[in-house]
Amino acid sequence: AQSVTQPDIHITVSEGASLELRCNYSYGATPYLFWYVQSPGQGLQLLLKYFSGDTLVQGIKGFEAEFKRSQSSFNLRKPSVHWSDAAEYFCAVGARGFQKLVFGTGTRLLVSP
Amino acid sequence: DVKVTQSSRYLVKRTGEKVFLECVQDMDHENMFWYRQDPGLGLRLIYFSYDVKMKEKGDIPEGYSVSREKKERFSLILESASTNQTSMYLCASSPITGTGNGELFFGEGSRLTVL
Repeated sequence: AQSVTQPDIHITVSEGASLELRCNYSYGATPYLFWYVQSPGQGLQLLLKYFSGDTLVQGIKGFEAEFKRSQSSFNLRKPSVHWSDAAEYFCAVGARGFQKLVFGTGTRLLVSP
Repeated sequence: DVKVTQSSRYLVKRTGEKVFLECVQDMDHENMFWYRQDPGLGLRLIYFSYDVKMKEKGDIPEGYSVSREKKERFSLILESASTNQTSMYLCASSPITGTGNGELFFGEGSRLTVL
């Protein structure tokens, strides 16, 4: 069975600084990988996804993520954080041929002025 | 604009009450899911359904049941609510594997408080 680890519960970043959120997964084959964002009191919105091909994936709101098979990682990055990026971010892994996604425990991003 | 709609954003119920959480999607998706979200635990799958009248248990099905009588509607039922079921409940849908590759579309959530 697949699993996801997000080792950082909270991260604080200054506005304008770069951001990297970590995600490590466990799965025996090439997974489907996702990053979702949740603003306070809202549902989850898809930021980006990886299925195959280019290991650097571009998403919405200026986010990108890189799939590194050797490290079983799918870290989320943004070169310059805006105050509106403050939210909770979830990494998720899916298995090919199966319907379910498994989510990490989330990382809450705080943006300081 | 495609949507997953959860009927109640906020509910307050008493211990022992029967609770229905309703979810409707307008994307003609085959799969529908109920997740529970708790601080520090992320999202945990309660039940999912891949077709009308079909259901499968997720990781934490105890104390819950579901109903899917129509393709667009998936209901979560708490037969006798308990305080440890106070949580945020998220409904999601997805097309069949191979067309959407597992991507989930979420509703805005239903925050349930059981007193």
